[in-house]
Amino acid sequence: GENVEQHPSTLSVQEGDSAVIKCTYSDSASNYFPWYKQELGKRPQLIIDIRSNVGEKKDQRIAVTLNKTAKHFSLHITETQPEDSAVYFCAATYGSAGGTSYGKLTFGQGTILTVHP
Amino acid sequence: DTEVTQTPKHLVMGMTNKKSLKCEQHMGHRAMYWYKQKAKKPPELMFVYSYEKLSINESVPSRFSPECPNSSLLNLHLHALQPEDSALYLCASSRQGNEQFFGPGTRLTVL
Repeated sequence: GENVEQHPSTLSVQEGDSAVIKCTYSDSASNYFPWYKQELGKRPQLIIDIRSNVGEKKDQRIAVTLNKTAKHFSLHITETQPEDSAVYFCAATYGSAGGTSYGKLTFGQGTILTVHP
Repeated sequence: DTEVTQTPKHLVMGMTNKKSLKCEQHMGHRAMYWYKQKAKKPPELMFVYSYEKLSINESVPSRFSPECPNSSLLNLHLHALQPEDSALYLCASSRQGNEQFFGPGTRLTVL
């Protein structure tokens, strides 16, 4: 089965700095890689995702890069703000391959990001 | 409606009680999921329903019993739980298996 490793487990930055979280996956069949942000006591919220036919995707201050050959993908947050403080989870799945309507997400262990004002 | 909703928000139950968790979505998603999440850990998949049929059971103990009455509703029936079952129970849904959207969860405490 798929195995996803996420680093670092904790990340502390000053407001305005950039933050980078990295994940590696094991199953070369995985083709969909979402990132979730979970604030304390709240639901995991999908913030950005990338598919295996794309190398990079950007949404305002957030970007994700994917290296299929090396089997790793990264989340980049620029100009961090205190409200970016949360736990971030990466995940991987082969999605709806084979005509199924569901995807079995394998999550990384999470990164606790703290942005200091 | 673009959200997954869950009730109740909090639930405290004894080990001999029977209770149910409810999840609802009106986004037309045909896949629905139950996850269990312990503090500071990622969500762990429990069950997947696809087109109202159970597609995945991740070897979950029988004291957890899922039910999908229709394409918008998902229930999780609880019976004879143990204190170690205390956790946040999250429901999610997806259209074609990719973008999964989570509900706010039910915080369950088993005494």
